[in-house]
Amino acid sequence: QLQLQQSGPGLVKPSETLSVTCSVSGASIIVPGYYWGWIRQSPGKGLEWIGNIYHTGSTYYNPSLKGRGTLSLDTSKNQFSLKVKSVTAADTAVYYCASGPTVARIVEFWGQGTPVTVSS
Amino acid sequence: IVMTQSPATLSVSPGERATLSCRASQSVDGNLAWYQQSPGQPPRLLIYDASTRATGVPARFSGSGSGTDFTLTISSLQSEDFAVYYCQQSNNWPRTFGQGTKVEIK
Repeated sequence: QLQLQQSGPGLVKPSETLSVTCSVSGASIIVPGYYWGWIRQSPGKGLEWIGNIYHTGSTYYNPSLKGRGTLSLDTSKNQFSLKVKSVTAADTAVYYCASGPTVARIVEFWGQGTPVTVSS
Repeated sequence: IVMTQSPATLSVSPGERATLSCRASQSVDGNLAWYQQSPGQPPRLLIYDASTRATGVPARFSGSGSGTDFTLTISSLQSEDFAVYYCQQSNNWPRTFGQGTKVEIK
């Protein structure tokens, strides 16, 4: 059974970079069959699909990020990460890592969630 | 694609039937999923492809619809079913979610 465990700081200053990481167990991130993604949830915007990355390294980003997001794989640690630069208060949310079958139609597996607050 | 759920809140007594609606701003064919979220937890996948129950989901949950109009039905509400339910389309990028329907105890 695939499991996702998240880590990352809960407080980020405005204009700085938010960084969250997801450790995967039960599957290898370099094997085809899954996507590795991020979804965030805030009271104002609800659930928002941020982006996803595949075992090949190819990525999709939600245009709402306006080019501020970077997804990456760390194959040595079987982890994947999200960075969002130039954050504002609008980036305050619970960030979930997510996974499912490659076509990325559903979120079958969720991380536990990382609350991130953007504040000085 | 904008997903609109109704009602925002549904008050139902245990054992009764609950019917939740989700409408897409354009056709998503059958590419529609439903999730359940309890407080402090990530969402849990219930239904995908509009009507297929995910592994381990009880038979009292059923989904229907295609195109722009979808329904999630809970045939007889149990105590653990009082939660927030979200629909999500996967026909277009970005994947988008509805704003949720909260099912509360009447």
